Amino acid sequence: AQSVTQPDIHITVSEGASLELRCNYSYGATPYLFWYVQSPGQGLQLLLKYFSGDTLVQGIKGFEAEFKRSQSSFNLRKPSVHWSDAAEYFCADTGGGNKLTFGTGTQLKVEL
Amino acid sequence: DGGITQSPKYLFRKEGQNVTLSCEQNLNHDAMYWYRQDPGQGLRLIYYSQIVNDFQKGDIAEGYSVSREKKESFPLTVTSAQKNPTAFYLCASSTDGTVGNTIYFGEGSWLTVV
Repeated sequence: AQSVTQPDIHITVSEGASLELRCNYSYGATPYLFWYVQSPGQGLQLLLKYFSGDTLVQGIKGFEAEFKRSQSSFNLRKPSVHWSDAAEYFCADTGGGNKLTFGTGTQLKVEL
Repeated sequence: DGGITQSPKYLFRKEGQNVTLSCEQNLNHDAMYWYRQDPGQGLRLIYYSQIVNDFQKGDIAEGYSVSREKKESFPLTVTSAQKNPTAFYLCASSTDGTVGNTIYFGEGSWLTVV
């Protein structure tokens, strides 16, 4: 069965520092990969997605993610974090099917 | 504004009672979904519907029921058979059920069993 792993439950960074959130997938072929962000008590907002082509994907709010097949990873990055980026981040994939499978999320805290 | 509206935002239920969560979308999307979110477990799919009058079970459908009589509406009933219903419930929709289509989420409903 497909699965998505986010190894970091919590991450704390200082405002202005760079950020990398890890995501690993298990689907053997090229999956459809997504990153979503969730503010407390709210729904999820799509940051970016990858289907094929260029392995570096640009998203909203200054985020980007890189697909690395050799590492089965799709890590999310941001060069300079803002306090408003504090939220929970979810990686998800569809594998070979038509349903999204979500990781367990990474809670980001930003220190001022 | 176009979007997905979930109601109520907060709901308290006594044990043994059924409760229905509303989800309405005006995005003209064919596909709709219900997810359950628990701390530390991410989102898990309860039911999904790719077209009116049709729906399929997701990964955790036991104790839940849905209907899809109208394109814009996909209510979720949490029945008394659901052993641990306290959770945050998210409704979502997409243009259709094609793999890779962006899924858009509502603001969620908190259900607490007292």
